[in-house]
Amino acid sequence: QVQLLQSGAEVQKPGASLKVSCKASGYTFTSHGISWVRQDPGQGLEWMGWISAYNGNTNYAQKFQGRVTMTTDTATNTAYMEVKTLTFDDTAVYYCARDHPGLPAALDYWGQGTPVTVSS
Amino acid sequence: ESILTQSPGTLSLSPGERATLSCRASQSVSRNYLAWYQQKLGQAPRLLIFGASTRATGIPDRFSGSGSGTDFTLTISRLEPEDFAVYYCQQYGSSRQTFGQGTKVEIK
Repeated sequence: QVQLLQSGAEVQKPGASLKVSCKASGYTFTSHGISWVRQDPGQGLEWMGWISAYNGNTNYAQKFQGRVTMTTDTATNTAYMEVKTLTFDDTAVYYCARDHPGLPAALDYWGQGTPVTVSS
Repeated sequence: ESILTQSPGTLSLSPGERATLSCRASQSVSRNYLAWYQQKLGQAPRLLIFGASTRATGIPDRFSGSGSGTDFTLTISRLEPEDFAVYYCQQYGSSRQTFGQGTKVEIK
């Protein structure tokens, strides 16, 4: 069965960087893109960007351009998202999600979420 | 960037009742690439509907999606206890996907 297993909760200081992993299993990793979505405490969903697991092409939301980097490792079927120069506003739950077959695609499987707290 | 506005913010209904949720886009959604998700407290979202009206695998037929262009609707024909949750629409037809702010369906 398809699973996306994310890395555990993190506490980071302002100005630090964060790297979240998302290990995929149960399907051909390179056949589906991965999106990253974040959810501020008690708030809605915000799409951060997308990466093709086939060729590494990326597409970032304008808000995160230049501060977020998405990568994949096809040897380990893992996607990564790095956020630099964290601020208190980056406190959120971060999700990875797989593209449903076809392009463009809705998000058919989601990771369990990685809670991130930015605190001094 | 297409802005999605969901209404109402909260819907208070009883089990067995019909729920009608609205999602309005600021620009026409390309080829009706509009999805609906359900999220329960402490859980990741779950895909319900894609392509405006196609149910995802395993989704009960009491969930249906309709609409085109800028106006879309998610209907739950008869609410079951497990359907009380927050629902989000998402457009994925443009290069920058966006989500609506959500509609909470709560028990009356």
